[in-house]
Formats: sequence, C-alpha cells, structure tokens
Amino acid sequence: DQQVKQNSPSLSVQEGRISILNCDYTNSMFDYFLWYKKYPAEGPTFLISISSIKDKNEDGRFTVFLNKSAKHLSLHIVPSQPGDSAVYFCAASERGGADGLTFGKGTHLIIQP
Amino acid sequence: DVKVTQSSRYLVKRTGEKVFLECVQDMDHENMFWYRQDPGLGLRLIYFSYDVKMKEKGDIPEGYSVSREKKERFSLILESASTNQTSMYLCASSSSGTGLGEQYFGPGTRLTVT
Repeated sequence: DQQVKQNSPSLSVQEGRISILNCDYTNSMFDYFLWYKKYPAEGPTFLISISSIKDKNEDGRFTVFLNKSAKHLSLHIVPSQPGDSAVYFCAASERGGADGLTFGKGTHLIIQP
Repeated sequence: DVKVTQSSRYLVKRTGEKVFLECVQDMDHENMFWYRQDPGLGLRLIYFSYDVKMKEKGDIPEGYSVSREKKERFSLILESASTNQTSMYLCASSSSGTGLGEQYFGPGTRLTVT
C-alpha cells in the first residue's frame, strides 16, 4: 500500500501564478517531510522540508504547509518561473530520515509562458 | 557542496551478468542509500547503510546486494541481472549529525538489461 501519495501526475501553471502541489500520507509515524525537485537525467535535489512539529516552513518562493490531522502537505511556489518546470517528489520519513525516505510517485509541473 | 558521484551514467548489460554500481560521496556522511526510479512508481528504497560494514534492507531488496567497505563508498550489486531490473538507479547520502536527514543524490545510472 502506498504510504505517500501524489494524486496529480502533472500540473500546468502559467508563469507568474501560484503553483500548488499536493501530497497525502497514511503513516502517522512519519515525522519529517521533504520536497525534492528532479530534472530529466539528473538526480533529485532537495528543495524544502518540514518537521511534524511545525505547520509551515518558508524559503524564498517556496512554502510547505503541513496539516497533520488531515495527513496532507502542500508545496506552494510563488511566483512560478519557467525554471520551475520539473518533476516534484514528496517524501516522508520516520526517525528524521535515518532509515531512508518514502517517496510519492511525483508530479510533473509545467510552467507555461 | 556535497558531491555524490556514480561510476556510470549509462550501462547496458546482458541477462544473467553480475553488475556493480558504484557510489562515492565526499562529505563524510554516515548514511548512504540506493534507490531505483521507474516511471509512474517514484523512487523506491533498495538498501541503505548506517556505517561501514552495516547494511539494512529497504522496500525492494530482492535481487540486489550491497557492500560498504569504506565510509565514502557504497556499492549496489545485481548478482544475476534480469530485464525487470532495467531502471534508473540513484545513490544518496545523508548526515546523521544534523538530525534533519536531507539526502543528497548522485546523477543516477540508467541501467538497461537486455
């Protein structure tokens, strides 16, 4: 059973608008959540993270929101730029990531000019 | 900057061959990981290691083994390659010290088994 779900395989957003990527999880033992960005033929790069004791973390244009009661997190990108076009993976871990990460299937974000 | 390197970007092997995928990190990280990425499936954890000589099974260890003889190097071994092991293989490392667990990934090895 998939513990981390990204239900939108792709998302198309106009340049300058807000991109919202969603992620749901089922394992209540997860205590750390991360977003990774991946370009074709490259490894994923870390984008932003949030601990389960927080409900929001912001870094420049990127904000992650965590709703523990709903087991839902989202990544907001404002404003969206052409270079943001990539596949975004949501990931979660127990014990701060020491045992590896559980990834969602990814959402392909396409920024339209 | 953390650097994780993988020995090959592209590899083509025949069914039944023994395959070695090498990964090296230069940041003295304790933890190292091997994932595979397949279309529509995301990244799945194969094996990981906390320390030299230590190894732990991930979610899909069948058909694979690993070796960690030195802290900076983590090898993934396909004992007898099969076509269903055609995939993108990604190595990652992380530090135990920060407690945050961000993993740093290599560029990946695209393995094709024919």
